[in-house]
Amino acid sequence: AQTVTQSQPEMSVQEAETVTLSCTYDTSESDYYLFWYKQPPSRQMILVIRQEAYKQQNATENRFSVNFQKAAKSFSLKISDSQLGDAAMYFCAYFTYDMRFGAGTRLTVKP
Amino acid sequence: DTGVSQDPRHKITKRGQNVTFRCDPISEHNRLYWYRQTLGQGPEFLTYFQNEAQLEKSRLLSDRFSAERPKGSFSTLEIQRTEQGDSAMYLCASSLGSGAYGYTFGSGTRLTVV
Repeated sequence: AQTVTQSQPEMSVQEAETVTLSCTYDTSESDYYLFWYKQPPSRQMILVIRQEAYKQQNATENRFSVNFQKAAKSFSLKISDSQLGDAAMYFCAYFTYDMRFGAGTRLTVKP
Repeated sequence: DTGVSQDPRHKITKRGQNVTFRCDPISEHNRLYWYRQTLGQGPEFLTYFQNEAQLEKSRLLSDRFSAERPKGSFSTLEIQRTEQGDSAMYLCASSLGSGAYGYTFGSGTRLTVV
C-alpha cells in the first residue's frame, strides 16, 4: 500500500521569508504523480502544484516550487516570499489510481 | 460552472439517525470521489465513481455507508444508524479523466453526531 508521510505537523514562517514543507512517500510503482494541496481554514482544498514522477525537472508555480527526489521518495514544497494568505493546512498527495494524502502540515505566517 | 458543490455544509444529527449528503461535481467531470477527513488528519479515501459505476470502495466504507451516482451526474452518500465515530468532514471531489491532473474539491459537509 502506498503511504504518504508529512513529518512536520506545524510550521511557522515570517512574512516575505521562505519555508520548506517536507513529504516522503512509499511506493513500489515507477509511474505516479505527486501533488501539494492547500486547505485554508473552513475553505475547500485547492491544488498548489503537481509533479510527474517520470520528469526529473522540478515543478514550479510562481512562488511555489518542489524538490522531487525520486530515489529518496521525497517531495518537499518550497514557498518563497511567504504571504499572509499562504497560511493554511498543506497536504502532500500521491496518485496512481486514486489520490492518497498525508496528515498535513499547518503553516502559520507571521506578519 | 461554479465548481464542486456539496450540500449541506453542516449537519448535526442524533446517534442512530440516517443522514444523506449530496455532491454536484463539475459537469464535464466523469469521475467523482468521496473522502472523509477527521480533525488534524488528511482526507481518507472512501469511494469513487466513473460515470454511474462505483469502481472502488475503501474498507472504511462499512455496511452502514452507501453511495450512489445515478445517471453519472450528482452523487449521494448515505450513512445509516450514525455513530459518534462518524463525526467528520465529508469531502467530495471530481476529475476529468483519471485524475492524474488533480482533483477539484468541494467545501465539504461537516457531520456532527451527538
